[in-house]
Amino acid sequence: DVKVTQSSRYLVKRTGEKVFLECVQDMDHENMFWYRQDPGLGLRLIYFSYDVKMKEKGDIPEGYSVSREKKERFSLILESASTNQTSMYLCASSLQGATRETQYFGPGTRLLVL
Amino acid sequence: RKEVEQDPGPFNVPEGATVAFNCTYSNSASQSFFWYRQDCRKEPKLLMSVYSSGNEDGRFTAQLNRASQYISLLIRDSKLSDSATYLCVVILYNTDKLIFGTGTRLQVFP
Repeated sequence: DVKVTQSSRYLVKRTGEKVFLECVQDMDHENMFWYRQDPGLGLRLIYFSYDVKMKEKGDIPEGYSVSREKKERFSLILESASTNQTSMYLCASSLQGATRETQYFGPGTRLLVL
Repeated sequence: RKEVEQDPGPFNVPEGATVAFNCTYSNSASQSFFWYRQDCRKEPKLLMSVYSSGNEDGRFTAQLNRASQYISLLIRDSKLSDSATYLCVVILYNTDKLIFGTGTRLQVFP
């Protein structure tokens, strides 16, 4: 079974803090994704990566950065957390080029920024 | 206009009922289609892919109408355990990016 893990299920941070969200997958997937999910807005893509050291902006990259130093790990960084970044953050991975393949999601991190 | 649109619901149905969800997508370059299920406070999980010819998996039937850019999910003989949010998902041609609808919430009651 594919397993995608995220470093924390719940996080509480203060405005201005630097926040790291870690995601690890164990299926040698090339693609990794970071989404945030908010009521009424659904899942929105923040950043994605097709390969190590490669990243591309999604639909809402402002206020975020990412790092992919190893194939299995994709980190989301909030350089200076703000209250409007309070959300559920979901990481996902998938095989590259296999458009009929699903994405596998991690359990999510609920971030509260005070 | 949203790229993928769904009725948010909630759909409240009794056990044993048949319920149908609809989804429309705006980009004709959409290539692949899926239904995901998301339980409360959990991550989305693939329910089924949607094929042009339509496909069935037990009590679940998915249909695709490319001409109308429309996808549907039919659930027969609803169970309490079917209560969840159902997400319509589209992949555009030549990308690996999923585009999610906001989901339709289903509540099955005894």
